[in-house]
Amino acid sequence: GESVGLHLPTLSVQEGDNSIINCAYSNSASDYFIWYKQESGKGPQFIIDIRSNMDKRQGQRVTVLLNKTVKHLSLQIAATQPGDSAVYFCAETSPGNTPLVFGKGTRLSVIA
Amino acid sequence: EAGVVQSPRYKIIEKKQPVAFWCNPISGHNTLYWYLQNLGQGPELLIRYENEEAVDDSQLPKDRFSAERLKGVDSTLKIQPAELGDSAVYLCASSLGPLGGAVQFFGPGTRLTVL
Repeated sequence: GESVGLHLPTLSVQEGDNSIINCAYSNSASDYFIWYKQESGKGPQFIIDIRSNMDKRQGQRVTVLLNKTVKHLSLQIAATQPGDSAVYFCAETSPGNTPLVFGKGTRLSVIA
Repeated sequence: EAGVVQSPRYKIIEKKQPVAFWCNPISGHNTLYWYLQNLGQGPELLIRYENEEAVDDSQLPKDRFSAERLKGVDSTLKIQPAELGDSAVYLCASSLGPLGGAVQFFGPGTRLTVL
């Protein structure tokens, strides 16, 4: 119900600090991972992706780290800005035409 | 370049009424997806189209939900009759190709409220 949905993990960071958002995935066969950002009233927006043959990928101000041993994915945002405030979702898919499975979101709040 | 377009953005109906959502994917994207998103949760796939063909509709509640993608471009998702539990955001997404590495781009969603 709605009360459960409101209990999103929340990360609060000061503007200018670095943010790290974590995601644990369960399917060891997953080979492709995506981070999405979702602002209020909008659809998820692609941030960065990574394939299982890599353990790190960098974009503009963002870095994704993949640890297949412990099935863990993280998103690092450098110099966090107020515009980074949103809910962040990790998503995974495995080989073949398998659906993209979204993890539980994390709400990032940037304190100015 | 225009993104995925959805309409309406908001819809309020009474239970047992029908409702339809429309999606126009990014030009050239052959794959189209409909997702359901409940508050505070990630999107859940309802149906995936490759051109006109529904290739994955295993999560679509077929007793009341239907979808079509005529001519392999625009798509509509219909609920008839709507139930209180259908209140959610319905997201449409599109990608260049099938899953396995094709990034999905999402529309803004339609927020459905069933009273």
